[in-house]
Amino acid sequence: KQEVTQIPAALSVPEGENLVLNCSFTDSAIYNLQWFRQDPGKGLTSLLLIQSSQREQTSGRLNASLDKSSGRSTLYIAASQPGDSATYLCAVRPGIYNQGGKLIFGQGTELSVKP
Amino acid sequence: KAGVTQTPRYLIKTRGQQVTLSCSPISGHRSVSWYQQTPGQGLQFLFEYFSETQRNKGNFPGRFSGRQFSNSRSEMNVSTLELGDSALYLCASSSAWSFSVRLNTGELFFGEGSRLTVL
Repeated sequence: KQEVTQIPAALSVPEGENLVLNCSFTDSAIYNLQWFRQDPGKGLTSLLLIQSSQREQTSGRLNASLDKSSGRSTLYIAASQPGDSATYLCAVRPGIYNQGGKLIFGQGTELSVKP
Repeated sequence: KAGVTQTPRYLIKTRGQQVTLSCSPISGHRSVSWYQQTPGQGLQFLFEYFSETQRNKGNFPGRFSGRQFSNSRSEMNVSTLELGDSALYLCASSSAWSFSVRLNTGELFFGEGSRLTVL
């Protein structure tokens, strides 16, 4: 059974710091991995999608890596800003082919960036 | 391009009642998935619809049901509400199951959710 774990559960950093959020999964048979951001009381905003054949994806100050063999992904945020404060969620699509909309989510990392 | 639209955004019901939530996917997306988010269990997959057919189903009781219409809009229904059904219900759309490999990235796009409170 696929399980996704995110460490740490909460993180507080001063503005300007570079930071890394971690995500691990128990079964390496994944189709892709997606990172999301969620603001309080809101829906999920897709940040980055990494296909199983890819090693990393970049968007602006965000960089996500994927190591399928070790069951790990990291989300790197450069030069953090107070506006980055949110909960970050990692999710994997299980299976070796696209099985549609079923994702397995981690519990999230709550990030607070202090001015 | 309009995003995923969910209605209503907030609703309050009492135990034993039933509720229907609606989701309109991104134009051109034919796959709609539903998730339940609670503080204790996090995000859990309910079910997915494509071309008016249920494709995947999570581990929820039969009180949770859904359907999809020919225009890809989807509804989910919860009957005989329990206190534990209080949650944020999120809908996601994707181009999954598309015959086009270029379109079928598997990326999910979520709506703002429907916040259900059961008293």
